[in-house]
Amino acid sequence: DADVTQTPRNRITKTGKRIMLECSQTKGHDRMYWYRQDPGLGLQLIYYSFDVKDINKGEISDGYSVSRQAQAKFSLSLESAIPNQTALYFCATSDERGYTFGSGTRLTVV
Amino acid sequence: GQNIDQPTEMTATEGAIVQINCTYQTSGFNGLFWYQQHAGEAPTFLSYNVLDGLEEKGRFSSFLSRSKGYSYLLLKELQMKDSASYLCASVGITGTASKLTFGTGTRLQVTL
Repeated sequence: DADVTQTPRNRITKTGKRIMLECSQTKGHDRMYWYRQDPGLGLQLIYYSFDVKDINKGEISDGYSVSRQAQAKFSLSLESAIPNQTALYFCATSDERGYTFGSGTRLTVV
Repeated sequence: GQNIDQPTEMTATEGAIVQINCTYQTSGFNGLFWYQQHAGEAPTFLSYNVLDGLEEKGRFSSFLSRSKGYSYLLLKELQMKDSASYLCASVGITGTASKLTFGTGTRLQVTL
């Protein structure tokens, strides 16, 4: 089993719909992150959490929200999806030795 | 603030050596990562430098100069499977919080 699991792997949704992307990890890490990746723009940090009670906005948090349900689970929500949120989304965890990424969720908003 | 620059694209020949440069300006700098990413896949860890100098790991080496805000990734004996994007990412610490900031990535094309 993967250390960091994202569901779904692919999703097509309509403009205005609410959608949740889920991430779970078996690394035992306290720190979890959500990034989005657009072609030519690298990975941009959306939200991060350093423990269950700690949630912080990243560079591009507008239009997104998160929930840290447990140490192992960190979900990302788009309250009302719009086409420019079409991107590849990655969840990651970290400790002092480095970062581990999930396989990504490809989201298309039509 | 955080700013990372790396070339957008590079091309090299199979069997050759290629150097991918990265410059950074990172508040509370605490290390630099290199990741490899194939299209549509997750980034995978290549190297981490926190002290000045060269770290060698098989065909891949990474160098860091903290005083110059500069790093490079050196790939030797290039193989076709090395065609991928290479992401430079710096760690910045503010208080007790550390954050990883990525460059836009360098797309490497290995040709015959």
